[in-house]
Amino acid sequence: QSALTQPRSVSGSPGQSVTISCSGSSSDVGRYNYVSWYQQHPGKVPKLIIRDVTERLSGVPDRFSGSKSGNTASLTISGLQAEDESEYYCCSYAGSFVVFGGGTKLTVL
Amino acid sequence: QVQLVQSGAEVKKPGSSVKVSCKGSGGALSSQSFSWVRQAPGQGLEWLGRFIPVFAKANYAQKFQGRVTITADDSTNTAYMELSSLRSDDTAVYYCARDLYAYGSGTYTYWGQGTLVTVSS
Repeated sequence: QSALTQPRSVSGSPGQSVTISCSGSSSDVGRYNYVSWYQQHPGKVPKLIIRDVTERLSGVPDRFSGSKSGNTASLTISGLQAEDESEYYCCSYAGSFVVFGGGTKLTVL
Repeated sequence: QVQLVQSGAEVKKPGSSVKVSCKGSGGALSSQSFSWVRQAPGQGLEWLGRFIPVFAKANYAQKFQGRVTITADDSTNTAYMELSSLRSDDTAVYYCARDLYAYGSGTYTYWGQGTLVTVSS
């Protein structure tokens, strides 16, 4: 039951696009379409922003999009805004358990 | 609108146990799967386990097998997480989270406010 692998940090300037990868295995990300993404601001509760690999939650800007190829899922944020600076976590169903990624700190320069 | 309200902060001695509660309102907590997730200071999210109502059973992360117990009380719409043999590295904020799906997919639409558990001698 290993954690999913995410880059520790990514950064981009306002208006640019960034992509956060989430690498798993054929037993989790690669096997199921239950990959979700959470945004967590400091001191706050995680917020679900993407579910089922690609589905944006109501109220989440369409600048946020999710995708998956093989054992790797990705979160892309286009048209970066200052308020997007946050920690992002991926999460995958793995049958008998659930696994999170280690988290990625997004810095908007 | 579903709301999850957790019990208050706890300070525990190493080797002891802690039991955290999570009371649901606005819907039956155990009508969907729910999980417990923790976050150590400055660290990421870590899944402890889940309760799957349709099977009336819990699954636990391998790391916590034998130390964690997750239960639900339908009569009070409350979920519980008990962690035993506490160590200093169990110091964390513990969250309950309600899944969108009955089988516990890791899709958490509702979260409790978190409960800080501090383990210190």
